[in-house]
Amino acid sequence: EDQVTQSPEALRLQEGESSSLNCSYTVSGLRGLFWYRQDPGKGPEFLFTLYSAGEEKEKERLKATLTKKESFLHITAPKPEDSATYLCAVRSPPGGATNKLIFGTGTLLAVQP
Amino acid sequence: NAGVTQTPKFQVLKTGQSMTLQCAQDMNHNSMYWYRQDPGMGLRLIYYSASEGTTDKGEVPNGYNVSRLNKREFSLRLESAAPSQTSVYFCASSVKGQGDSGANVLTFGAGSRLTVL
Repeated sequence: EDQVTQSPEALRLQEGESSSLNCSYTVSGLRGLFWYRQDPGKGPEFLFTLYSAGEEKEKERLKATLTKKESFLHITAPKPEDSATYLCAVRSPPGGATNKLIFGTGTLLAVQP
Repeated sequence: NAGVTQTPKFQVLKTGQSMTLQCAQDMNHNSMYWYRQDPGMGLRLIYYSASEGTTDKGEVPNGYNVSRLNKREFSLRLESAAPSQTSVYFCASSVKGQGDSGANVLTFGAGSRLTVL
């Protein structure tokens, strides 16, 4: 069964304290791993897509990396505005709708000034 | 740009009542989706529509029906609401249709918070 597990469930950082969020997955044929950011009371907002092991994507203080079993979201020198829930999702293999995403439960990040 | 618009934002129902959640997108996307989000469960797919005129069940379809009214609109109906359907519902859309390769980025609405008493 396809599965996505995120850790930790919650993370509290001081402003400027770098850290990483983990997303481990088991899927029969990865067709894309996605990172989303979700602010309280809002819908998820797309951040990155990764397709193959070794691939990296960067956006401001965020960098996503991918291995064959997991992805990391590295946050460098975070600011309070980076506080949000970060969601990881994998795209299920073909069969029926090829565009379905399976989501993890997210990591709630709080960055204190 | 409005993106994906959901109505209503909040709704309280009594057990057994029916209601429809509305969703509209103005990005000319092919695919539309309904997810529910519950604490500790993550986002779970209820129904999706890979293109206008088609709908398919997702992971948790029981107790729900959908209608893809046209390319822009995708509604979710609860025929007889139950307390287990208390949740936050998200509509999403993506430009890719079924069978399309490449990145499939979902754009989400702001959510509809439903409470069933």
